[in-house]
Amino acid sequence: GAGVSQSPRYKVAKRGQDVALRCDPISGHVSLFWYQQALGQGPEFLTYFQNEAQLDKSGLPSDRFFAERPEGSVSTLKIQRTQQEDSAVYLCASSRGGGSSYEQYFGPGTRLTVT
Amino acid sequence: DAKTTQPTSMDCAEGRAANLPCNHSTISGNEYVYWYRQIHSQGPQYIIHGLKNNETNEMASLIITEDRKSSTLILPHATLRDTAVYYCIVRERNSGNTPLVFGKGTRLSVIA
Repeated sequence: GAGVSQSPRYKVAKRGQDVALRCDPISGHVSLFWYQQALGQGPEFLTYFQNEAQLDKSGLPSDRFFAERPEGSVSTLKIQRTQQEDSAVYLCASSRGGGSSYEQYFGPGTRLTVT
Repeated sequence: DAKTTQPTSMDCAEGRAANLPCNHSTISGNEYVYWYRQIHSQGPQYIIHGLKNNETNEMASLIITEDRKSSTLILPHATLRDTAVYYCIVRERNSGNTPLVFGKGTRLSVIA
């Protein structure tokens, strides 16, 4: 079946531009996570949704980062006024959710390069 | 911070078993050991998890020591496609609402 998809796969932005990254989770998955992965590092948590509710945004590095999931399915991560330090791979993951430890399924990521 | 320690890199000959160690000396009684791997240019992929008993699935085996302070992921017959970064993660049961905490993982290179 279809896995988690993300678009675009690659994005080049000039410093100061706004970008929007899209995540299509597996159908029916309640939980959705965004992670940021710098070169040579493991993914780091940004924010978490349960359905349309953003329950945890403690990992967002600044108020330039904003995420939404208005209908509890597709999610968008928006970065305003991009900076060079925002260059990274942005990963989206979904899981069946709830309290049990269902495994997370990751998309291929969006590689953002800020020039 | 990650609660696990893994070697930075390992090599394995194709067709041989790859044994990837992980130390998690501060693991608590309600925490599971999870393994994910990340192939180049892909997102992380779930491999296996366990609490205290050894586990096996179609991808790998997980051996957890009796004191649960360390574990080993075993790929019985490594192929070139198993070249990836392998992450060992400890996580509480019933923590589906919490994010995964990744360390730097072990970069496994399978050599022909």
